[in-house]
Amino acid sequence: GAVVSQHPSWVICKSGTSVKIECRSLDFQATTMFWYRQFPKQSLMLMATSNEGSKATYEQGVEKDKFLINHASLTLSTLTVTSAHPEDSSFYICSAGGGFLRFDYGYTFGSGTRLTVV
Amino acid sequence: SQQGEEDPQALSIQEGENATMNCSYKTSINNLQWYRQNSGRGLVHLILIRSNEREKHSGRLRVTLDTSKKSSSLLITASRAADTASYFCATVEGLNYGGATNKLIFGTGTLLAVQP
Repeated sequence: GAVVSQHPSWVICKSGTSVKIECRSLDFQATTMFWYRQFPKQSLMLMATSNEGSKATYEQGVEKDKFLINHASLTLSTLTVTSAHPEDSSFYICSAGGGFLRFDYGYTFGSGTRLTVV
Repeated sequence: SQQGEEDPQALSIQEGENATMNCSYKTSINNLQWYRQNSGRGLVHLILIRSNEREKHSGRLRVTLDTSKKSSSLLITASRAADTASYFCATVEGLNYGGATNKLIFGTGTLLAVQP
């Protein structure tokens, strides 16, 4: 089945630094990847849709300059949290779509990244 | 944006009992999906029901969909301790029916605890 690998699983960084999270589709080509953010005991909030070779589409209220998304290849999308602050601490999850994965067969998610900014 | 709400927010049952979770959504959909999330982990796709379907089964899972009421329910029969997790419904928004490039919008989730 389709596998999405997300790294790192957890990261602790100092306030003001930047953190990069990678999301890779291992056995399929993902023309589209989605990035979600989840606060403790809450649901997933869609942050942006990442399309290979083009600019990401951000949801309303999400800062483009804070959360940089790059989807340079069909198997890799990255989310960079720039100048991180404690309020950016959260669980970030990616999901892949496109290729042979039709939307009516469900989406494949990465295992998530726990970001803690101190 | 959040598509809808799930009910109950939390549910605690004994092993062997059935668990029912409900989901309501706001807009027209092409399909509705249910996912499970173990604490601090990614999401696992459980089952998908299309807008022209009313009921679907998969193992111990039973999903119903009522598009007139914009609601769905997930029934887990003969629950096990390993079923303890958060369960989310999610709907597909967007107009691209050619592939999985439509946005998936999640409900608020139900936290299920199955006591051994």
